[in-house]
Amino acid sequence: GAGVSQSPSNKVTEKGKDVELRCDPISGHTALYWYRQSLGQGLEFLIYFQGNSAPDKSGLPSDRFSAERTGGSVSTLTIQRTQQEDSAVYLCASSFLGLGDEQFFGPGTRLTVL
Amino acid sequence: AQSVTQPDIHITVSEGASLELRCNYSYGATPYLFWYVQSPGQGLQLLLKYFSGDTLVQGIKGFEAEFKRSQSSFNLRKPSVHWSDAAEYFCAVGEGNDMRFGAGTRLTVKP
Repeated sequence: GAGVSQSPSNKVTEKGKDVELRCDPISGHTALYWYRQSLGQGLEFLIYFQGNSAPDKSGLPSDRFSAERTGGSVSTLTIQRTQQEDSAVYLCASSFLGLGDEQFFGPGTRLTVL
Repeated sequence: AQSVTQPDIHITVSEGASLELRCNYSYGATPYLFWYVQSPGQGLQLLLKYFSGDTLVQGIKGFEAEFKRSQSSFNLRKPSVHWSDAAEYFCAVGEGNDMRFGAGTRLTVKP
């Protein structure tokens, strides 16, 4: 596609359930990023994939959060045993090169944990 | 520790007035800097970026930003605001493999 796509656009889940959020980056982009945007907050960096290198997981808030990127393309962010404080918009971005290059953002997935 | 600060959470300006959004950072001497805009219901879009060279950077939609090393600032400006500029604006600063976004400034434009 022409841009970064994310699915689902909205996800409502019950506390304690696991959720998977998907990101399809722009074809050919080597870097992929996940951010969390809570109401009234800025963008909180979660994880960064660059090519075949080990991902930078320094932003993941707890071990309930994990992400993988298969084949250097599609990425899935998994949140296990969701908590109400996980409610936020999860944004994915990709860039042709790594950090320092322009990031192209997807529309986000709005997660609501009841 | 590295940080990016956008001191103004919310700014209101009248249509046609000038605009300046502040961004301060604590990084080394050679950061790379960005401004992104998030319009209601839309994804973030790059307005402009600075890596090196001329410290006054021109971006899209009539925006510009000036890198002032001595003040550790990268303020965004526009001489005449349009109603369509109402949005959330994010400054991002990085060095090497460390990049962070500010908390954002919400711009409201009065008719």
